[in-house]
Amino acid sequence: DADVTQTPRNRITKTGKRIMLECSQTKGHDRMYWYRQDPGLGLRLIYYSFDVKDINKGEISDGYSVSRQAQAKFSLSLESAIPNQTALYFCATSSRGGGNTIYFGEGSWLTVV
Amino acid sequence: GESVGLHLPTLSVQEGDNSIINCAYSNSASDYFIWYKQESGKGPQFIIDIRSNMDKRQGQRVTVLLNKTVKHLSLQIAATQPGDSAVYFCAEKVMYSGGGADGLTFGKGTHLIIQP
Repeated sequence: DADVTQTPRNRITKTGKRIMLECSQTKGHDRMYWYRQDPGLGLRLIYYSFDVKDINKGEISDGYSVSRQAQAKFSLSLESAIPNQTALYFCATSSRGGGNTIYFGEGSWLTVV
Repeated sequence: GESVGLHLPTLSVQEGDNSIINCAYSNSASDYFIWYKQESGKGPQFIIDIRSNMDKRQGQRVTVLLNKTVKHLSLQIAATQPGDSAVYFCAEKVMYSGGGADGLTFGKGTHLIIQP
């Protein structure tokens, strides 16, 4: 089983719809992240959470929200999806101590039509 | 722009040759760097890391070199194999603004293509 699990792996949704991407981890890490990947732009940080009560905006948080339901769970929501949010989304985790290795999930392909 | 960048978006090498993937960073205070490999349809996977108190670190078939003078990082892959085909990202430890904590920022990636 993967240490960082994302659901759904693929989703097509319509403009204006609400969509949630879920992430769970079995690594016991405190820190969790949501990244977005677009061709030619690498990985960009959307939100990050260093513990259950800690939520921080990343580089591109507009249009997104997150919820840290438990240490092992971190979900990303698009309240009203738009086509330029079509991308590959990655959840990731790391241990406390900053700058340590970040472990990624397998990714969730989201297409907004 | 991003503080971490790669010199070439695509690198094509012959199977069996050595591959060298380069990365430049802009923050001279950065003290930790990681290389990731991303295969098609998968998430990025950790390859090797290096701290700024080192110039070189070796793993299995991979070597990372750090030149702090010119703020340059490279990943060398020995005897490149078909399974090495992937996109390679360098990442740099950064301080997140407002969060009072640090994390990683990623370059755009280099696509390594292995020619038979």
